[in-house]
Amino acid sequence: DAKTTQPTSMDCAEGRAANLPCNHSTISGNEYVYWYRQIHSQGPQYIIHGLKNNETNEMASLIITEDRKSSTLILPHATLRDTAVYYCIVRVSNFGNEKLTFGTGTRLTIIP
Amino acid sequence: ETGVTQTPRHLVMGMTNKKSLKCEQHLGHNAMYWYKQSAKKPLELMFVYNFKEQTENNSVPSRFSPECPNSSHLFLHLHTLQPEDSALYLCASSQDKGLSGVNTEAFFGQGTRLTVV
Repeated sequence: DAKTTQPTSMDCAEGRAANLPCNHSTISGNEYVYWYRQIHSQGPQYIIHGLKNNETNEMASLIITEDRKSSTLILPHATLRDTAVYYCIVRVSNFGNEKLTFGTGTRLTIIP
Repeated sequence: ETGVTQTPRHLVMGMTNKKSLKCEQHLGHNAMYWYKQSAKKPLELMFVYNFKEQTENNSVPSRFSPECPNSSHLFLHLHTLQPEDSALYLCASSQDKGLSGVNTEAFFGQGTRLTVV
């Protein structure tokens, strides 16, 4: 699976949009971009994933660049409960199991 | 509540003890996983089970022994552990649809915080 690069940490003011970048310059054509987050002392939680089109769900939006070498996770109105470590993972999906290779992620802190 | 339940939530054990971690999923999934999260390190995949069969062992030492009696339950048997094995052990499940469709995402339990003394 392709490797990802994320900033170590970020701060965002409560109520503002949090934009979390991820670089995956070696991504292959059949690899998806996944985002998970881990709130302190809990298991990781799935947020969203995509292949090449932008995606949106009730939690977040995922913007993938046209060349697919980077993406941005957007939390539109960050709340204090969004403070967590956010992991960007690139992997082949559609078949096989959901084996995930986690990096160190971005520690997002929402400031009141 | 994710539908994946791990017990116990906390465990302290001596290096000569034998203990087991339990994971149960109520989601009807057919794939289950054990991950390890040590302090200051990324989550590491340990084992993968598909349809009760172990499909991956990520070079895990034999003092960790997984067991999957059915598709809803997963155990991790521990014996003669070392202090460096202290970590958060996470169980996850997903529905592997093979070539016939897109998988669901993985659902994680809350983890068992293990301390080896």
